[in-house]
Amino acid sequence: DAEITQSPRHKITETGRQVTLACHQTWNHNNMFWYRQDLGHGLRLIHYSYGVQDTNKGEVSDGYSVSRSNTEDLPLTLESAASSQTSVYFCATAPGLADNEQFFGPGTRLTVL
Amino acid sequence: KNQVEQSPQSLIILEGKNCTLQCNYTVSPFSNLRWYKQDTGRGPVSLTIMTFSENTKSNGRYTATLDADTKQSSLHITASQLSDSASYICVVTVNNAGNMLTFGGGTRLMVKP
Repeated sequence: DAEITQSPRHKITETGRQVTLACHQTWNHNNMFWYRQDLGHGLRLIHYSYGVQDTNKGEVSDGYSVSRSNTEDLPLTLESAASSQTSVYFCATAPGLADNEQFFGPGTRLTVL
Repeated sequence: KNQVEQSPQSLIILEGKNCTLQCNYTVSPFSNLRWYKQDTGRGPVSLTIMTFSENTKSNGRYTATLDADTKQSSLHITASQLSDSASYICVVTVNNAGNMLTFGGGTRLMVKP
């Protein structure tokens, strides 16, 4: 069955370290998204991609970067982790602009000390 | 600014009882509205989708309604079960915005035996 996997599922890191969260999908979807979820906020869009070599900034992109070298993967990098980036991160995919149901991965809980 | 507001923030009901969750939105232009269910420690999963012209949509014991004039939606859960304990998120898609979603903050439902 097609799926979205995220790794690691839990991560603890220190302020200032670079951290990369992985997202891998076997849906063969063109569109991929990264969100963060915090108490008191709805999911907020960090970065998104509509295909290989395409990346775009979302609502809360400062301090984050992504790259899309193939269809299956969209890794999210925190260049220099800050305590404000402690959150649960979700990757999502969608098959195309017209089909806008997004399918979510299981999430990564990141704690920055 | 596009916004989605949900109420109540949290709700506790007894198993077997019904409940209704509310969603108000100011997203424009509107494409569709989905209700997602998010179990603890999991990613959101779509329950229902309604376009501008649809007033109601059912999925088992879940019934969603939409009033596009007042920009309100509700999710009614009938004969609640323990497995209904989750967060329910109202999500509105902005028309012609490339799969962009606006998320509500969610209602956390707890069903007690």
